[in-house]
Amino acid sequence: AQKITQTQPGMFVQEKEAVTLDCTYDTSDPSYGLFWYKQPSSGEMIFLIYQGSYDQQNATEGRYSLNFQKARKSANLVISASQLGDSAMYFCAMREGNTGNQFYFGTGTSLTVIP
Amino acid sequence: NAGVTQTPKFQVLKTGQSMTLQCAQDMNHEYMSWYRQDPGMGLRLIHYSVGAGITDQGEVPNGYNVSRSTTEDFPLRLLSAAPSQTSVYFCASSYSIGRGTAKNIQYFGAGTRLSVL
Repeated sequence: AQKITQTQPGMFVQEKEAVTLDCTYDTSDPSYGLFWYKQPSSGEMIFLIYQGSYDQQNATEGRYSLNFQKARKSANLVISASQLGDSAMYFCAMREGNTGNQFYFGTGTSLTVIP
Repeated sequence: NAGVTQTPKFQVLKTGQSMTLQCAQDMNHEYMSWYRQDPGMGLRLIHYSVGAGITDQGEVPNGYNVSRSTTEDFPLRLLSAAPSQTSVYFCASSYSIGRGTAKNIQYFGAGTRLSVL
């Protein structure tokens, strides 16, 4: 079974609107971390936001927030007030705290911001 | 602050040739890893290391070797390149906040684009 699933290959959003990128995960480890990365067309991987399995509140970093629904095993990224520079690939990733050192990445979502 | 440095940025090989992709970090991170990125498949872990002298296999280790003789360097060796190894390769390193937790933010190099003909 896939550890990380991103079901939206491509998304479009109007500039200044909010957009949600979906991510579901699969683990039986009670300790895990969820990460979102941005990959612009230039190719570098940029860390955006982190959510721990024991964190009581949803993570926020500026215009990025993580909608963490533990029971549903989902960790959706919400980008508010989209900007043209937000056009990029977005990857969800997970690390299990107790069962290994491996990181698992989803297949990514390509976001295009329309002026 | 250089962060994670990968060399070369581009490389073309012929089938059967060998080469080493270099990765160096100056952040004193214990954890280093190599990924390959292929269209539609996200990033897949090749090998990783939790410290000098310690390496382990990831999801797709076949055809690749690694070693970790120092904290700073984590080279990836292709012993006999095959067209299936055409990909973009990323090296990453990370620290941990709180041992035993999963918070291990990875910082990536700029990538190496490899073509095997």
